[in-house]
Amino acid sequence: QVQLQESGPGLVKPLETLSLTCSVSGGSMREHYWSWVRLSPGKGLEFLGYLSLTGSAIYNPFLGGRVFISQDRSDNLFFLRLRSVTAADAAVYFCARGPADSPLSYDSSGFSHYSYYMDVWGKGTAVTVSS
Amino acid sequence: QPTLTQPPSVSAAPGETVTISCSGGSSNIGNNFVSWYQHFPGAAPKLLIYDNYKRPSGIPDRFSGSKSGTSATLVITGLQTGDEADYLCGTWDNSQTVIFGGGTKLAVL
Repeated sequence: QVQLQESGPGLVKPLETLSLTCSVSGGSMREHYWSWVRLSPGKGLEFLGYLSLTGSAIYNPFLGGRVFISQDRSDNLFFLRLRSVTAADAAVYFCARGPADSPLSYDSSGFSHYSYYMDVWGKGTAVTVSS
Repeated sequence: QPTLTQPPSVSAAPGETVTISCSGGSSNIGNNFVSWYQHFPGAAPKLLIYDNYKRPSGIPDRFSGSKSGTSATLVITGLQTGDEADYLCGTWDNSQTVIFGGGTKLAVL
């Protein structure tokens, strides 16, 4: 049974960089996509980005290029870095497992469709932004 | 960023059926697959439905999903008090990110 566990500082100063780690146990990182999602009272659930099977990353374009996701597959870890945080970045941050295959498919007419869902989640870690 | 629209709350009695809607547009629900999550405050979200109607292993068939056009629906039958939670829909948006609805709080009266 795959389990995910987030870790990192619970308090970050404004304009500094938030760094979180997700530890994956019970499975290999090579077989799925891996994601970061956050939950805040003001914005609800917000997708931050994912790592693909090849290790490339997609980021939420509405975060102003502040997000960076990386991994260390040998240690079954993946990481989130969020630059220049403000009070609006205070949230509970979750890491989550995405699909096992490419989320992109094509129908018989050649139109593309995307299926990205997250089936295993960590318990989340709360982050406060304050000086 | 784009968001999906869900009713803030729904309620029903134990044993009854409840329907939760999720409305989007052509750049998201209209052309991509929808998933649904159950969220108890303080816990991790749980995947209930993916690819519009598929259930992960272990999810009872009391939970079902469907999609039509730019809207999706989650139906919960045989309501139980333990179903009281927030329910969120999610899908890919062509702006290149996953987007979610604001969540629907289910009350089992």
